[in-house]
Amino acid sequence: TQLLEQSPQFLSIQEGENLTVYCNSSSVFSSLQWYRQEPGEGPVLLVTVVTGGEVKKLKRLTFQFGDARKDSSLHITAAQPGDTGLYLCAGVTRQGAQKLVFGQGTRLTINP
Amino acid sequence: DTEVTQTPKHLVMGMTNKKSLKCEQHMGHRAMYWYKQKAKKPPELMFVYSYEKLSINESVPSRFSPECPNSSLLNLHLHALQPEDSALYLCASSQGPLAGAYYEQYFGPGTRLTVT
Repeated sequence: TQLLEQSPQFLSIQEGENLTVYCNSSSVFSSLQWYRQEPGEGPVLLVTVVTGGEVKKLKRLTFQFGDARKDSSLHITAAQPGDTGLYLCAGVTRQGAQKLVFGQGTRLTINP
Repeated sequence: DTEVTQTPKHLVMGMTNKKSLKCEQHMGHRAMYWYKQKAKKPPELMFVYSYEKLSINESVPSRFSPECPNSSLLNLHLHALQPEDSALYLCASSQGPLAGAYYEQYFGPGTRLTVT
């Protein structure tokens, strides 16, 4: 079974600070996706990383896929209250039927 | 357009009721999914439909019965549910189950189900 460990599970910081969320596994994934979810809503896809070492930027968010495609990180620069939410990483399995394996999520709170 | 729609948004049902959840996408995607999400947990995969055929059933109890009438629609029929089945039920779709490494799933807003 391929597992994804996401850390930290909870993070509360002040507006303007930087933060990094990590997603780690001992398994290799075909690709990895990051989602953001608001309470009572479905996850919204932020980015997909496919190639080992890939870096993608989405405004103040920077996503990186590890060289070995076993880990990923999300870095937010100058966090804003609008960044508050649940961030989920999800990897596409390489073994058996392709499906998404989710990390446990990081609940991020940005205080004004 | 990356929209997946789900109805109803909220559903309250008794343990003896029969109800259905509906999901629709018009992106031409050929794979559709049902997930269950409990509070403060990540989504858990229930079923996968690929080209309108059930390809994955994650050992879901038979009181949940999926149906894919056509490539745009996905239903989840509910019967004799238990209170512990109360959760957010999410539908998702992707271009295809064998889309290689570039495999993106788009989620609907979910149906909040409460079983009394």
